[in-house]
Amino acid sequence: AQTVTQSQPEMSVQEAETVTLSCTYDTSESDYYLFWYKQPPSRQMILVIRQEAYKQQNATENRFSVNFQKAAKSFSLKISDSQLGDAAMYFCAYRDTSNTGKLIFGQGTTLQVKP
Amino acid sequence: DSGVTQTPKHLITATGQRVTLRCSPRSGDLSVYWYQQSLDQGLQFLIQYYNGEERAKGNILERFSAQQFPDLHSELNLSSLELGDSALYFCASSVSQGTNSPLHFGNGTRLTVT
Repeated sequence: AQTVTQSQPEMSVQEAETVTLSCTYDTSESDYYLFWYKQPPSRQMILVIRQEAYKQQNATENRFSVNFQKAAKSFSLKISDSQLGDAAMYFCAYRDTSNTGKLIFGQGTTLQVKP
Repeated sequence: DSGVTQTPKHLITATGQRVTLRCSPRSGDLSVYWYQQSLDQGLQFLIQYYNGEERAKGNILERFSAQQFPDLHSELNLSSLELGDSALYFCASSVSQGTNSPLHFGNGTRLTVT
């Protein structure tokens, strides 16, 4: 069964600085998708960024980028120029290409942004 | 706004009772997923429907059941409620399965069992 592990329960970063959140996953599949979701205090689940496993190029969305290492099964999220509004819990998620397409989530990393 | 609507937003009920949570997916989305998030925990997959048919089950208790109706809205029924069932229940929808189309989440229903 696929699993997703986020080894950092909590992280903190100074406003305007850069922080990297770690995620590793375990799968025997070769084709899959990876996502980062943000959950602010409002508890909404907001898509931050997605990555297709067949693409070697790392995805980027404005200040958010990923470092996707397929062989190492690693998918880290880098947040540049951190803002107070980035404070939230971040979930890494794996989606396979089976006929369910369900997301498997990690346990989450709580990010604190210090002014 | 994700386009996924969940009602009610909050629900407070007593142990032993039965409740129904409702979800309307985004327009055009055929797949509906239900997740449970207990306090300070990750999201646990419960069950998935695609175009009215059950497609996958996760760690869903026998006291819980769900269905997806012809108009594609879905309901999650929780019965014989226990204190431990208190959680945030999310519904998510997507256009299809097995693609990079993300799951779009509703705002959740917060269930409190007293």
